[in-house]
Amino acid sequence: DAGVIQSPRHEVTEMGQEVTLRCKPISGHNSLFWYRQTMMRGLELLIYFNNNVPIDDSGMPEDRFSAKMPNASFSTLKIQPSEPRDSAVYFCASSPTSGGYEKLFFGSGTQLSVL
Amino acid sequence: KQEVTQIPAALSVPEGENLVLNCSFTDSAIYNLQWFRQDPGKGLTSLLLIQSSQREQTSGRLNASLDKSSGRSTLYIAASQPGDSATYLCAVRPGGFKTIFGAGTRLFVKA
Repeated sequence: DAGVIQSPRHEVTEMGQEVTLRCKPISGHNSLFWYRQTMMRGLELLIYFNNNVPIDDSGMPEDRFSAKMPNASFSTLKIQPSEPRDSAVYFCASSPTSGGYEKLFFGSGTQLSVL
Repeated sequence: KQEVTQIPAALSVPEGENLVLNCSFTDSAIYNLQWFRQDPGKGLTSLLLIQSSQREQTSGRLNASLDKSSGRSTLYIAASQPGDSATYLCAVRPGGFKTIFGAGTRLFVKA
């Protein structure tokens, strides 16, 4: 299995531009998570999907952030308009919902820099 | 509110040394606890997962223990190698779907 695949690996954009981050979870995994990692705040959960349905988006910082999961193999996180304070590493993670032994599998992340 | 603390924040040891990384959490009502490794510029790799009913898990040179009542977990690394240099994160799942991460311990193993 290729693992969780994220694209792009790096994104540099200017303030006010729209940014779209992409994620392909591991096949068969029911749960998908978007995390943001910064030096100041560590890893923060932004949104959680189960079976393609958003379950909890309370971690999404503000209305500029939105996420979708149109099918079991694809999710996007969009920031519009982007701001310098959005600069961080954004991780996608997936997990099988087996009711017991549920490891989190992370992608390599997208390093976002908003100038 | 569940909080996860990792001590020390950074650690430097000579190659071959056995070492212990510590993790504490404030609420003992957890579903499971995971230890992750993160290399610079990379994602997190799950090393060990301990369910709430378990006391420890082992994988190769790694051993993780869990004491729920005291809110503590340790990650023991035997015979450390330079390739073990990375940041190690502890994460607890209180229940439901959320996983709460510690800030991590940066480990440097000197050759």
